[in-house]
Amino acid sequence: DIQMTQSPSTLSASVGDRVTITCRASQSISSWLAWYQQKPGKAPKFLIYKASTLVSGVPSRFSGSGSGTEFTLTISSLQPDDFATYYCQQYHSYSTFGQGTKLESK
Amino acid sequence: EMRLLESGGGLVQPGGSLRLSCAASGFTFGSWAMSWVRQTPGKGLEWVSSISGSAGSTSSADSVRGRFTVSRDNSRNTLYLQMNSLRVDDTAVYYCAKNFYDNRLAFHIWGQGTKVTVSS
Repeated sequence: DIQMTQSPSTLSASVGDRVTITCRASQSISSWLAWYQQKPGKAPKFLIYKASTLVSGVPSRFSGSGSGTEFTLTISSLQPDDFATYYCQQYHSYSTFGQGTKLESK
Repeated sequence: EMRLLESGGGLVQPGGSLRLSCAASGFTFGSWAMSWVRQTPGKGLEWVSSISGSAGSTSSADSVRGRFTVSRDNSRNTLYLQMNSLRVDDTAVYYCAKNFYDNRLAFHIWGQGTKVTVSS
């Protein structure tokens, strides 16, 4: 099974900050990586696929990069609505999610 | 607007059975592969099972294979998950999801989830 490891587990930031979350795969997954945003009590929301392609309607302050085993999600200027938990997911071989990164207000 | 609405969750004893349903609207249901994903505080998000649009192909995680069965009724725009031989560690919120691809497991649209508790 492919393991996905996110860092950090928790990230404290302020509105307007640029934030980056890292996701590492235990083996190469090419660019078969997605990012999701989840708010408390809600279902995950599909943000990015193929490592760097934004889902329609997702604000352009979100961006993704990487390939192989190392990936990043960047929010260029944090907005109040962005405080949430973010998950990476590989879909190169079946599906595995990272453990999540909670983005909280500093 | 594409929507998914799960139902059927609840409290069940270990070894028991439960069937979850997911009603879809706002898209051509039979054209899309669908999946179940569950979430627990301890293990996080875990893919459970998937089924192709035509129902000709299914796949399941090792943790549920042989106990859970995914199916669909395209005439009713409904996805199902039959869960047998339930264990305490099957306790989770279960989401149905519309796949983004035909043959890869990325999940575009999610339902609101239904909670399953397995406890004596």
